[in-house]
Amino acid sequence: DVKVTQSSRYLVKRTGEKVFLECVQDMDHENMFWYRQDPGLGLRLIYFSYDVKMKEKGDIPEGYSVSREKKERFSLILESASTNQTSMYLCASHPRTGKVNEQFFGPGTRLTVL
Amino acid sequence: AQSVAQPEDQVNVAEGNPLTVKCTYSVSGNPYLFWYVQYPNRGLQFLLKYITGDNLVKGSYGFEAEFNKSQTSFHLKKPSALVSDSALYFCAVRDPMNRDDKIIFGKGTRLHILP
Repeated sequence: DVKVTQSSRYLVKRTGEKVFLECVQDMDHENMFWYRQDPGLGLRLIYFSYDVKMKEKGDIPEGYSVSREKKERFSLILESASTNQTSMYLCASHPRTGKVNEQFFGPGTRLTVL
Repeated sequence: AQSVAQPEDQVNVAEGNPLTVKCTYSVSGNPYLFWYVQYPNRGLQFLLKYITGDNLVKGSYGFEAEFNKSQTSFHLKKPSALVSDSALYFCAVRDPMNRDDKIIFGKGTRLHILP
């Protein structure tokens, strides 16, 4: 089974702190994604990556950056956390095989910024 | 631009009754369509997908969905609901005309199965 893990289930940070959210997948998937999930808004794509060192902006990249130094790991960085970044953050991955593949999701990190 | 709509924020169904969770989409070509489920405090789990072929797609946990091109819909169905089906359901669409692998998610429909 594909496993996508996220470093924390719950995280509480203060305004202005630098926050790192880590995501690791164990199935050698090329594509990885970061979403945030808010009630009534569904999932919104923050950043995605097709390969190591590659990154693409999603629909709401402002206030976030990402890092992909190794194929299995995709990190989301909040350079200076703000209260409007309080949310559930979901990481996902899928292989790039030429078929239409579904995404595999991690359990999520619920981030609270005080 | 691709988009997906789930017109109901919440659906309540009695246990044992059939259930339907609605989804409509908008893409420029023939869509790739997905349904995911999220149980409390969990990530999303894949249920089923439509790529091409038979309009009725069967997935996990007894769910199925019907692709209707003329109505641009992809409603999720199950003949007999279980209390354990209570969860948040997301429809998603990918436009094959886009070169990237991005998919767009609906806002979600919360399904309550009443015992």
